[in-house]
Amino acid sequence: DIVMTQSPDSLAVSLGERATIYCKSSQNVLYSANSKNYLAWYQQRPRQPPKLLVYWASTRESGVPDRFSGSGSGTNFTLTISSLQAEDVAVYYCQQYFNTPFTFGPGTKVDIK
Amino acid sequence: QVQLQESGPGLVKPSETLSLTCVVSGDSISNYYWNWIRQPPGKGLEWIGYVSYSGSRIYNPSLMSRLTISIDTSTNKFSLNLSSVTAADTAVYYCARVSFSGGWYPFDYWGQGMLVTVSS
Repeated sequence: DIVMTQSPDSLAVSLGERATIYCKSSQNVLYSANSKNYLAWYQQRPRQPPKLLVYWASTRESGVPDRFSGSGSGTNFTLTISSLQAEDVAVYYCQQYFNTPFTFGPGTKVDIK
Repeated sequence: QVQLQESGPGLVKPSETLSLTCVVSGDSISNYYWNWIRQPPGKGLEWIGYVSYSGSRIYNPSLMSRLTISIDTSTNKFSLNLSSVTAADTAVYYCARVSFSGGWYPFDYWGQGMLVTVSS
């Protein structure tokens, strides 16, 4: 199984400031044949299902604000919220869909400082 | 607009079978892969398994011995059966959709989730 880790476990950022979340996979999730990283980011607000934010490591889902951006390749990935808004308070998960079993990181909780 | 909705008992006794159904509306159940994912209270997400529109299945090895996922394309529903449950199976259970075209895609649509508590 591909094990996903995230850091930090939680962070508190002032409104309008940058938040950065890191994700690492135990195996390469870059498929060389198409140069795509099979890595997604989800946002889960309290009492809500996860919502897809970013896929292929850096492609924003339709309707997702451009303050969310993903980067990285291979085994190391980053989700950045460039200017934190109150509605961004949530837990963020990375997930690999390179192969089954699909696996998620443990989550990073983002709060307002 | 694709919508998924879980239903089933919210309370199951230990050693019994947990059974949930997910109804898909707004699109055909064909041509996709239909998943179950769970989240114990206050914890992270665990993928349980999927059933395809054609009936093929892949299960998480950690649950495989107790798990059955089935599909009914005529009613746009798919189901989860998890046998011999314990308190460790208490979780919010989500249904979710993925696509496959030369490789996997992420979970793009999710149900609202259903809390299932295992308790006597």
